Amino acid sequence: DAEITQSPRHKITETGRQVTLACHQTWNHNNMFWYRQDLGHGLRLIHYSYGVQDTNKGEVSDGYSVSRSNTEDLPLTLESAASSQTSVYFCASSALGQTDEQYFGPGTRLTVT
Amino acid sequence: RKEVEQDPGPFNVPEGATVAFNCTYSNSASQSFFWYRQDCRKEPKLLMSVYSSGNEDGRFTAQLNRASQYISLLIRDSKLSDSATYLCVVNVMGDMRFGAGTRLTVKP
Repeated sequence: DAEITQSPRHKITETGRQVTLACHQTWNHNNMFWYRQDLGHGLRLIHYSYGVQDTNKGEVSDGYSVSRSNTEDLPLTLESAASSQTSVYFCASSALGQTDEQYFGPGTRLTVT
Repeated sequence: RKEVEQDPGPFNVPEGATVAFNCTYSNSASQSFFWYRQDCRKEPKLLMSVYSSGNEDGRFTAQLNRASQYISLLIRDSKLSDSATYLCVVNVMGDMRFGAGTRLTVKP
C-alpha cells in the first residue's frame, strides 16, 4: 500500500544545530508540503513543492529550507535550530492538480533545548 | 484576526447526541472548503469536502454559507469513535489554511 513516512518520529536537539527531518512518500504524488502544528494554531505551511526541483515558501518559512531532488522525498532542514521551532512537524502529499486532498505523514515531534 | 477561526471546545456529548461545529473564514477569495479529522497525537485525515449546496456522508453533514463566510459540520448519532479534533480547512488561492480545531469527546 502507498504511504507517507517521516523520520525521525521524535528528535531532541540543541539550539544552533542543523537538523533535517525526512519525508518519503510512495503515492507518486507531485505535490509535497511541510507544516508545523502548535497549540492554539492551525497547521501552518512552511514550504511546499509541486514537483522535482520546484520549491516554494509558505507562511512560516524563515529558518527552514527544503530541496526536491526526486518525486518521493522532501527533506526539511532547520539551518540553526531555535527554541521557537519546537513543534510537531507534518509532511503531506497530494496528486497533481489536487492540492485539496492531502495525505499526511505521522508527524515528527521536535524539541529544541 | 486569524484566517480560519474555530471554537476550540471541548465539546463533551453523550453517545447518540447530535453535535454541530462552526468555522468562520476571513478571505472572501477562498475557493474550497474541507473538514479534516485529527486523533490525539496522530496525523490529520480528510473527513469530507464542503460543497456550496451542502453535502452529507452518512452521519456527517457539511454546509457552506459564502455570504456569511462560515462552514459547519453536523454529526448525528455520535459514536465513541467520533472523539477527535475536527479541523476546518480553507483553500485560499491554492494555499490550504487550517483552523486550530474543535475538540470533541463523546462519552458513554
